[in-house]
Amino acid sequence: DTEVTQTPKHLVMGMTNKKSLKCEQHMGHRAMYWYKQKAKKPPELMFVYSYEKLSINESVPSRFSPECPNSSLLNLHLHALQPEDSALYLCASSQALAETQYFGPGTRLLVL
Amino acid sequence: SQQGEEDPQALSIQEGENATMNCSYKTSINNLQWYRQNSGRGLVHLILIRSNEREKHSGRLRVTLDTSKKSSSLLITASRAADTASYFCATHTGGFKTIFGAGTRLFVKA
Repeated sequence: DTEVTQTPKHLVMGMTNKKSLKCEQHMGHRAMYWYKQKAKKPPELMFVYSYEKLSINESVPSRFSPECPNSSLLNLHLHALQPEDSALYLCASSQALAETQYFGPGTRLLVL
Repeated sequence: SQQGEEDPQALSIQEGENATMNCSYKTSINNLQWYRQNSGRGLVHLILIRSNEREKHSGRLRVTLDTSKKSSSLLITASRAADTASYFCATHTGGFKTIFGAGTRLFVKA
């Protein structure tokens, strides 16, 4: 299995809602990533997990809360988001840090 | 600012022509990777070139890396309409942080 899956594909939420994005891989990769991508812009790194421990946090607001329950799963918990947080959220995994990353199809998030 | 800057920002060519995209970066890197993204979907990895390599090939793709100039280029030969996509370079620094360039939007006309 060489696929990274993400759910949901689309999400609309209000500013007071709490929701979670999910990412799963079964390639035995030990590094997992969350990126945020605005339209016509490159992906921006948010969080990196290595061996289920948070390795990099790119000064992301606390309304975004990552979680890595096990080596195959990565969650991004969302709470009290702002309309400017609307974007495509991409998950990726790699065998190790700085190696080839495999991306999921993304979750398109709209915050109203 | 972005570690990787790419040019051109947009490129429009005819099917069968070659497409060249360039990427420049600012700091020392472990490796540089090129990715393709089709209209707002996930990114697909194309090639990884390590800092001690100068050139790499994969099918119709050729990547060069010049660490003295802190630049890389991606050449797609004999382009096809299906190559229409955005292409990003990504660098990894010593801190294992991934930084994507601004990207080149390639449009191949049939």
